[in-house]
Amino acid sequence: RKEVEQDPGPFNVPEGATVAFNCTYSNSASQSFFWYRQDCRKEPKLLMSVYSSGNEDGRFTAQLNRASQYISLLIRDSKLSDSATYLCVVRYRGGGADGLTFGKGTHLIIQP
Amino acid sequence: NAGVMQNPRHLVRRRGQEARLRCSPMKGHSHVYWYRQLPEEGLKFMVYLQKENIIDESGMPKERFSAEFPKEGPSILRIQQVVRGDSAAYFCASSPGERTEAFFGQGTRLTVV
Repeated sequence: RKEVEQDPGPFNVPEGATVAFNCTYSNSASQSFFWYRQDCRKEPKLLMSVYSSGNEDGRFTAQLNRASQYISLLIRDSKLSDSATYLCVVRYRGGGADGLTFGKGTHLIIQP
Repeated sequence: NAGVMQNPRHLVRRRGQEARLRCSPMKGHSHVYWYRQLPEEGLKFMVYLQKENIIDESGMPKERFSAEFPKEGPSILRIQQVVRGDSAAYFCASSPGERTEAFFGQGTRLTVV
């Protein structure tokens, strides 16, 4: 299976700050991209899909750069409740590599 | 519309026993994924199934592990002759199509004693 790479962190960020992390993927045939959030010992939950034109959902902005094969997530005005592990997810198709591939996650800690 | 349902939530097995983990996808979802997460580790892909077909099992250990998604009923992940190293959280996810996002169940935490 092709790889999805993320900086594991942890990123220690003061409350109210802006934080950004990237994710790189190795398969140029990737079709769909997502950010998931996972809290300790819980199931991953979809945060947002990532579209080619970039998309925003409240304080969260996701960008896709197909030429450089990376995805980014920006969190503005961070809250304590944003503390979690953020998983970059790529969907490949074909060549026996169908399905979702998860990065190992970036651990974010928002400090009061 | 109920979410992805996994059961049991917690499973304890002695070494050498069999573990059966069940996953009922969300209504209308025909794609199922199984992942394993060891303590302090990331999610590791195991297998991707559609109804009655295994699409990608490249993450499944070669021995003792099998998965199915029958025409009727839940998807089953079966681990035969469990060993301590099988202790982990096993998550199932489902999606309605190939390009769409997937939604996760709450996981089954397997402990082998």
